[in-house]
Amino acid sequence: DTEVTQTPKHLVMGMTNKKSLKCEQHMGHRAMYWYKQKAKKPPELMFVYSYEKLSINESVPSRFSPECPNSSLLNLHLHALQPEDSALYLCASSALLSPGELFFGEGSRLTVL
Amino acid sequence: GEDVEQSLFLSVREGDSSVINCTYTDSSSTYLYWYKQEPGAGLQLLTYIFSNMDMKQDQRLTVLLNKKDKHLSLRIADTQTGDSAIYFCAERYGGSQGNLIFGKGTKLSVKP
Repeated sequence: DTEVTQTPKHLVMGMTNKKSLKCEQHMGHRAMYWYKQKAKKPPELMFVYSYEKLSINESVPSRFSPECPNSSLLNLHLHALQPEDSALYLCASSALLSPGELFFGEGSRLTVL
Repeated sequence: GEDVEQSLFLSVREGDSSVINCTYTDSSSTYLYWYKQEPGAGLQLLTYIFSNMDMKQDQRLTVLLNKKDKHLSLRIADTQTGDSAIYFCAERYGGSQGNLIFGKGTKLSVKP
């Protein structure tokens, strides 16, 4: 199984809503990542988890709250988002010894109204 | 700071070779990567090259690295319409425990 599965594929939310994006992998990877990708732009790193612990937070606003409940799951909790947060949110995983060899999910396309 | 530059567009005819170029800035980068993104999808790792190599070939893909000029290229032989996508060059900054910084991506269009 070489897949990273993200749900939902599409999400529309208002600025007062609370929602979550979910990501799952069963490759035994111990590093998991959240990236944000705006249209026609490269992915931008948001968070990195290593061994279920947050190791990198790229100065992301607190309205984005990551969670890694176990080695296979990664969540991104969303609250009080702004329209400019609308983007494709990509989850990825990698073996810790190969941090550049990322396996990406298909992404969750978020629209904030 | 770290920066990865790519030309934004490339258009080729089916059957021709495509060459996508990239320049990077971090001379300590140990690995350099090429990722492919099809419309509406996540990124897929195509290939990578270790910094002590000049060339790596993998079926239709050839990666050339000029470490002196910090220049990386990806050649796709016999380009097919299914190769139409955005191709991102990426370098790993921060040494062996570092993370990726992506170029802006080159949109490859393959005309039949």
